[in-house]
Amino acid sequence: KQEVTQIPAALSVPEGENLVLNCSFTDSAIYNLQWFRQDPGKGLTSLLLIQSSQREQTSGRLNASLDKSSGRSTLYIAASQPGDSATYLCAGSGSARQLTFGSGTQLTVLP
Amino acid sequence: ETGVTQSPTHLIKTRGQQVTLRCSSQSGHNTVSWYQQALGQGPQFIFQYYREEENGRGNFPPRFSGLQFPNYSSELNVNALELDDSALYLCASSQAALSTDTQYFGPGTRLTVL
Repeated sequence: KQEVTQIPAALSVPEGENLVLNCSFTDSAIYNLQWFRQDPGKGLTSLLLIQSSQREQTSGRLNASLDKSSGRSTLYIAASQPGDSATYLCAGSGSARQLTFGSGTQLTVLP
Repeated sequence: ETGVTQSPTHLIKTRGQQVTLRCSSQSGHNTVSWYQQALGQGPQFIFQYYREEENGRGNFPPRFSGLQFPNYSSELNVNALELDDSALYLCASSQAALSTDTQYFGPGTRLTVL
């Protein structure tokens, strides 16, 4: 059974700082790894998806990496802004395409 | 292109009642998944429907049931509501035939059970 863990649970940084969010998973037979953003009381917005055959994906100031052998993924956010404040969730997908989520990292970027 | 929509936005029910939540898939998507998200937790997989058939189920009791219609919209039904069913219910659609498998989520339905 896939289990996904995110550390830290909460993070507060000053504006402009580069930061890394961590995600670990127990089953290396992962189909893909997806990062989401969730604003309070809202649905999920897909940020990046990394296929099992890929090592990383980039979109703007975001870069996500996947290391299946160590069971880890990281989300790198460059030059953080107050608008980046949200909860970031990672989720692994098996062959059934159901997503197993971590509990998220709540990010606060201070002006 | 229309995104994933859900209705209603908010719902208040009492213990023991039944509830139906609705989801319209993104255009061109034939797979719908439902998730339950308790406060402060990540979403938990309930079940998935692919071309009107259940295609996987998480660790939820039978009182959680679903349907997918020919237009690929979907319903989640919950019978005999319990206080712990209070949560944000999310649906997600995807194109099962594509290897990208990105799941696109709706805004959710907030269910409160009193």
